[in-house]
Amino acid sequence: DTGVSQDPRHKITKRGQNVTFRCDPISEHNRLYWYRQTLGQGPEFLTYFQNEAQLEKSRLLSDRFSAERPKGSFSTLEIQRTEQGDSAMYLCASSLGPPLGGPSDTQYFGPGTRLTVL
Amino acid sequence: AQTVTQSQPEMSVQEAETVTLSCTYDTSENNYYLFWYKQPPSRQMILVIRQEAYKQQNATENRFSVNFQKAAKSFSLKISDSQLGDTAMYFCAFRPPMEYGNKLVFGAGTILRVKS
Repeated sequence: DTGVSQDPRHKITKRGQNVTFRCDPISEHNRLYWYRQTLGQGPEFLTYFQNEAQLEKSRLLSDRFSAERPKGSFSTLEIQRTEQGDSAMYLCASSLGPPLGGPSDTQYFGPGTRLTVL
Repeated sequence: AQTVTQSQPEMSVQEAETVTLSCTYDTSENNYYLFWYKQPPSRQMILVIRQEAYKQQNATENRFSVNFQKAAKSFSLKISDSQLGDTAMYFCAFRPPMEYGNKLVFGAGTILRVKS
């Protein structure tokens, strides 16, 4: 079990550019989540997948944000036309889901991708 | 909407002593889940402990235990025999019943510094 991995770990971009982040969940986990964390704050939910289906999206996920999980394994989060307000840590988490994961459906987090928009 | 409040932005404790971090939450649901996560400086977030609201017994994991007061909507974390490696940001998180979604709602966090 290698844990949740994210790539890249750091991304610096200029305002207006597009960026894409990748998340590889724990191998047997069927649920995958994206969160955004700004400095000194707790993570905020962005979106959630069960297998390849995107089941929930936050109001925080503007039209410039899109997430995919095409084969129910890894996921990508794309931000188009980045703005300085997009600067944050983007966290990915995965969980096994019930029944195998138990009712608590505990989420396990990756190391995050830190985005800086200049 | 559910909210989670951590009223202590920063805490300090001497090595080997005990410290309690506070967390309160607001929900109208009866069946939900609570978590404490630890985020060391520049490192990833890891699960410390979890509690199912339908269980009356407080969860424990080695030096970590919780005081879950359902009626008061309080979920505090007690760290015994504090170690330097416990220095981190600690987040309290709430998850509603599955039928209301799977997102975690986090508090703003408490920075814990363990001093030698």
